[in-house]
Amino acid sequence: GAGVSQTPSNKVTEKGKYVELRCDPISGHTALYWYRQSLGQGPEFLIYFQGTGAADDSGLPNDRFFAVRPEGSVSTLKIQRTERGDSAVYLCASSWGLDSEQFFGPGTRLTVL
Amino acid sequence: GIQVEQSPPDLILQEGANSTLRCNFSDSVNNLQWFHQNPWGQLINLFYIPSGTKQNGRLSATTVATERYSLLYISSSQTTDSGVYFCAVRRMDSSYKLIFGSGTRLLVRP
Repeated sequence: GAGVSQTPSNKVTEKGKYVELRCDPISGHTALYWYRQSLGQGPEFLIYFQGTGAADDSGLPNDRFFAVRPEGSVSTLKIQRTERGDSAVYLCASSWGLDSEQFFGPGTRLTVL
Repeated sequence: GIQVEQSPPDLILQEGANSTLRCNFSDSVNNLQWFHQNPWGQLINLFYIPSGTKQNGRLSATTVATERYSLLYISSSQTTDSGVYFCAVRRMDSSYKLIFGSGTRLLVRP
């Protein structure tokens, strides 16, 4: 497809479990971003990558959250020991370069019971 | 950090009406984007407009960077314009992350 894709679209898990969320950026985009959106609010930044390296992870709320992009394309956001407060829509975006227009995927809705 | 304020928070229009949405930001920016979040949650790019004026069909946007605000104009509104409109900025000399406002929730009635 031409746009950013994210899988799964929905994820329901139990408190304490581990989850992985996947993002496929637009082909050729070198920059990839993760955001989190809670109900009724605007998206909040988590982390971004330029190539394979995390250039800014200042938005990750704590050390239970981790993201990788091993080959500079697909990225995985990993959440350990999930808590009910982690429930949100996790959005991925990509851009040609770091200072270019960002395009968003449809998001993964995470629900922690 | 930079503050992004959008107004009004909520707006109800009759189909065919025009509207202006405002985004104020508290610091100099290098990047400003307007998005429409549809009822299914997808963020749709409207404008990439760090400065100046752009038009796309019934929508247009103006950013006055020196005065730290941007305006989104919707003319002849349609029911499909309903949703939440977000302004997002990247602060100058800072990380490449976008900082979002809290959005304007628009409902267009038939």
